Amino acid sequence: NAGVTQTPKFQVLKTGQSMTLQCAQDMNHNSMYWYRQDPGMGLRLIYYSASEGTTDKGEVPNGYNVSRLNKREFSLRLESAAPSQTSVYFCASSEALPTGPGLGEQYFGPGTRLTVT
Amino acid sequence: LAKTTQPISMDSYEGQEVNITCSHNNIATNDYITWYQQFPSQGPRFIIQGYKTKVTNEVASLFIPADRKSSTLSLPRVSLSDTAVYYCLVGDPLSGGYQKVTFGTGTKLQVIP
Repeated sequence: NAGVTQTPKFQVLKTGQSMTLQCAQDMNHNSMYWYRQDPGMGLRLIYYSASEGTTDKGEVPNGYNVSRLNKREFSLRLESAAPSQTSVYFCASSEALPTGPGLGEQYFGPGTRLTVT
Repeated sequence: LAKTTQPISMDSYEGQEVNITCSHNNIATNDYITWYQQFPSQGPRFIIQGYKTKVTNEVASLFIPADRKSSTLSLPRVSLSDTAVYYCLVGDPLSGGYQKVTFGTGTKLQVIP
């Protein structure tokens, strides 16, 4: 049971290049999330997917697109990378979007460290 | 949008109890309080969640006073492996607040031998 896996672990891009960050979970969770964490800062939500086939914007969606490919996989795409997108990207999943009480327990992947030069 | 305020850092000796307080003055009626732990180069890990009074699990306790404007995460008898950043989150998905919940800058706990 690998939990949440992310690829790649590290990536260096030049300004204007595009790339897709991959995320997969094997816990049969319905909801998945993408966060970014800048040095010395907390995590900020980019996009989330409440269930297969749905996606919604988080706090900082500009410059990103997402695809919920199936229940297991949730990818994040940078169409034209900018230095401001240099960050660590975390994917997370939870059993369900907590539409009931509470924020629910999220399980995080190990992160992708992206540098844009 | 409920905003949280935590101390930036704390130091503690091994074996001591550590209490980290989070202020959330504009917490809404349906908001829950959740704490996460993050080690360097890792994703955050859920610690505990509560709505009011006291919640305890095998890792920590969470104390929430009646006015719910603050909460305190209590770690009993910390060890060096508890050195990490601790985040307090407040939000209510029913009001559409979930997608705007952020982790903030957290409290960096340093446990000293």
